[in-house]
Amino acid sequence: NAGVMQNPRHLVRRRGQEARLRCSPMKGHSHVYWYRQLPEEGLKFMVYLQKENIIDESGMPKERFSAEFPKEGPSILRIQQVVRGDSAAYFCASSPSGQLNTEAFFGQGTRLTVV
Amino acid sequence: GENVEQHPSTLSVQEGDSAVIKCTYSDSASNYFPWYKQELGKRPQLIIDIRSNVGEKKDQRIAVTLNKTAKHFSLHITETQPEDSAVYFCALRGDDKIIFGKGTRLHILP
Repeated sequence: NAGVMQNPRHLVRRRGQEARLRCSPMKGHSHVYWYRQLPEEGLKFMVYLQKENIIDESGMPKERFSAEFPKEGPSILRIQQVVRGDSAAYFCASSPSGQLNTEAFFGQGTRLTVV
Repeated sequence: GENVEQHPSTLSVQEGDSAVIKCTYSDSASNYFPWYKQELGKRPQLIIDIRSNVGEKKDQRIAVTLNKTAKHFSLHITETQPEDSAVYFCALRGDDKIIFGKGTRLHILP
């Protein structure tokens, strides 16, 4: 059973370009969470999704950021018109359900560098 | 909303000694408290978790205690080894999402 798979592992974008980050949850997991981590800092919650539904996007910037988790395929975190401040590691985690006492497992992360 | 405070932010202990990291939270509805270890450049990895129906859980050199009344939980690492050097994050599940503390950078001194 493969773990949570994120790709690409490293992504370089010029200012103004779009970044697309993908996350395939563990087999049997239907809940996905995205977090952003700046160097030497903690994990900041961005968005929580179920298949075809956004459950909680309270941590997502209102502009330029969007996320989806379609019925088929990976979850996508999309950042439009990237700026230098978007440079960070973006981690996704998955869990089998949204029940309050279930564990979540992380992917290896995508390290986005905006130049 | 939910909030979790983690202390200390940095901790240095002599190899072989114990390390304790503490977290406090505000949402009494939280009932799941995981701890993650993150080595440099790697993903956070779940090392131990505790649910609100127990007060303590132990796994070899790692233990976690939970005081729901006081709303705090702690990670204890005994007989520390060099490979324990990492950043440790406490977390909790509140409402629907997992919220993390700011992390503790643990240094194991030779």
